[in-house]
Amino acid sequence: KQEVTQIPAALSVPEGENLVLNCSFTDSAIYNLQWFRQDPGKGLTSLLLIQSSQREQTSGRLNASLDKSSGRSTLYIAASQPGDSATYLCAVTETSGSRLTFGEGTQLTVNP
Amino acid sequence: DAGVTQSPTHLIKTRGQHVTLRCSPISGHKSVSWYQQVLGQGPQFIFQYYEKEERGRGNFPDRFSARQFPNYSSELNVNALLLGDSALYLCASSRRVGGEKLFFGSGTQLSVL
Repeated sequence: KQEVTQIPAALSVPEGENLVLNCSFTDSAIYNLQWFRQDPGKGLTSLLLIQSSQREQTSGRLNASLDKSSGRSTLYIAASQPGDSATYLCAVTETSGSRLTFGEGTQLTVNP
Repeated sequence: DAGVTQSPTHLIKTRGQHVTLRCSPISGHKSVSWYQQVLGQGPQFIFQYYEKEERGRGNFPDRFSARQFPNYSSELNVNALLLGDSALYLCASSRRVGGEKLFFGSGTQLSVL
């Protein structure tokens, strides 16, 4: 059974700091990996999707990497802003279908 | 284009009642998935439908059921509600199945008293 773990569970940083969120998964037979953002009580916004054959994806200040063989992904946020405060979720799609297996998320607070 | 829309946004029920949640996918999307998110946890997969057929089911009891209509909208039904069913129910749509990028709605917050 696939298990996804995210470290740390919570993170508080001052504005302007660069930061890294970590995600690990137990079964490397994945189709892709996605990073999502969730604001309190709201739905999920897809940030980046990395196919299993790719190493990284970039969007603006966000960069996500994937090391499938070691079962790890990182989300790098450059020059953090208070508006980045949210919960960040990592999810993997297994090769058997489209269902996502999520981690429990990292709650990020960026202080002005 | 409108995103994924879910209704209602909030719902309060009592134990033993039945509830129906609704989801309209993005235009052109034929796959709808349902997820349950308990406070403080990541979403858990409940169902996936594609072209009106069930394509996947998570580890949920038979009290949970769903269906997809010809216009690709979907309903999630939960019978005999328990306190533990209190959660945010999220609907996601995609063009097809098979590792497609999912687009999520804002969810229905269900409280069971």
